[in-house]
Amino acid sequence: NAGVTQTPKFQVLKTGQSMTLQCAQDMNHEYMSWYRQDPGMGLRLIHYSVGAGITDQGEVPNGYNVSRSTTEDFPLRLLSAAPSQTSVYFCASSYKFGGLNTEAFFGQGTRLTVV
Amino acid sequence: QKEVEQDPGPLSVPEGAIVSLNCTYSNSAFQYFMWYRQYSRKGPELLMYTYSSGNKEDGRFTAQVDKSSKYISLFIRDSQPSDSATYLCAMRGVPNFGNEKLTFGTGTRLTIIP
Repeated sequence: NAGVTQTPKFQVLKTGQSMTLQCAQDMNHEYMSWYRQDPGMGLRLIHYSVGAGITDQGEVPNGYNVSRSTTEDFPLRLLSAAPSQTSVYFCASSYKFGGLNTEAFFGQGTRLTVV
Repeated sequence: QKEVEQDPGPLSVPEGAIVSLNCTYSNSAFQYFMWYRQYSRKGPELLMYTYSSGNKEDGRFTAQVDKSSKYISLFIRDSQPSDSATYLCAMRGVPNFGNEKLTFGTGTRLTIIP
C-alpha cells in the first residue's frame, strides 16, 4: 500500500515554462486536494476534488489547473511558471470520519523552484 | 486577520516535559478540529481529530477544544526527542454548508532537548 505518491520530488523551472505535478493514491479515496506551503503562511488550498470529474477552486487557484479523470490521479498543472510559485506542493487524499471528508493522508511533497 | 492563528514558535523544552500547543480561530462555523505533525522535509501526518468541544486522549497526546473561547490545544506528556517536529492545527465546518475546506494554522516548530 503506497498511500499518496507525488512526482517529481524536486523541480527547477524557468519563468514561463509549464509543467504537471503528478499525484496518485491507491486507497480509493474520493476526496483529493492540492496545497502549497510557504514559510509563515501555513498550508493553503489550491484546488480540490470530491470525486472523478468534479473539481473546485481553493484559496489560491490562480496560475494552476487541475483535472480528475480517475479516482486515483489528481495532477496539478502550472500553466506559465512564475517566481511567486516557488513553494513546496503537497497533494492530500482523504477518507471519511463519520461522514466527513478530511485530509488524512499527505504525499511527501514536491519542492518547486522557479527561476 | 487570519481565520486560524497559531504561535509559530520555535518552542524548545527538555525531554520529559509537558508540551502545550495552541490555536485560536475566529470562524464559529468550525466543528472539526485536527492536529497534524510534520517532520522536516516530509508531508504532514494526522495526529489527532476531535469533533466539537471536549477532550480526546491518545497515548501521550491529548487534544482539547473549547468552542466558547474558540481555542484548541494539544498536550504532549513525557515528551521525547522524536516529538521534535512542526505541529499544525487545522479545522473545518460541516460538509455541504460551504465550510468543508480545511483551514490550517501556520504551524509551531517544537524541539525536545535530550
